Amino acid sequence: EVQLVESGGGLVQPGGSLQLSCAASGFTFSGSPMHWVRQASGKGLEWVGRIRSKANNYATEYAASVKGRFTISRDDSKNTAYLQMNSLKSEDTAVYYCTTVPSAIAAANWLDPWGQGTLVTVSS
Amino acid sequence: DIQMTQSPSSVSASVGDRVTITCRASQGISRWLAWYQQKPGKAPKLLIYAASSLQSGVPSRFSGSGSGTEFTLTISSLQPEDFATYYCQQVNSFPLTFGGGTKVEIK
Repeated sequence: EVQLVESGGGLVQPGGSLQLSCAASGFTFSGSPMHWVRQASGKGLEWVGRIRSKANNYATEYAASVKGRFTISRDDSKNTAYLQMNSLKSEDTAVYYCTTVPSAIAAANWLDPWGQGTLVTVSS
Repeated sequence: DIQMTQSPSSVSASVGDRVTITCRASQGISRWLAWYQQKPGKAPKLLIYAASSLQSGVPSRFSGSGSGTEFTLTISSLQPEDFATYYCQQVNSFPLTFGGGTKVEIK
């Protein structure tokens, strides 16, 4: 069974940093792109960014709202993806989900499954 | 960036009703569109990909159609477990973008 488990969320002050982790199991993590998507309370989904596999040079893409502040990385030996968040703002407060692309339909960035999410609160 | 606009933002319906949700893209995206279902407090779940392909395990009462800039998600006979919020997403180009969501509520 494919499973994604996020951790690392919490309360951080504006301007601070936080690193989220996404532990993966049940699929070939090293060959799979990993995405992060966030959702502010009562709001819709916002794509944050993606990292591709080693075969694709670990290429990354980011939303404009986080580019230059957030960095996605991965450790294939640990089957874990990371989201490093720096210079955090109050508007970054959200539940952060990690997700991947099903290998059976990997032609595009359809996202499934998703982790349970981890809450990041940016507040003084 | 490609903007995705869903309508309606909410719909009230009864069990057994047919429900249709529309998603419009600000520019043509061929069939690079997905639909997701999200229940309160839970992560989204992929229902439809490539505009009309049913993800494995998803009931056949869900269907998708469209191409270019206009797409629809149809629930042919609403079941109690279908009351949720539905999102469309374009995967044509980065940044990936989602529609604002449609909440399907009990009438």
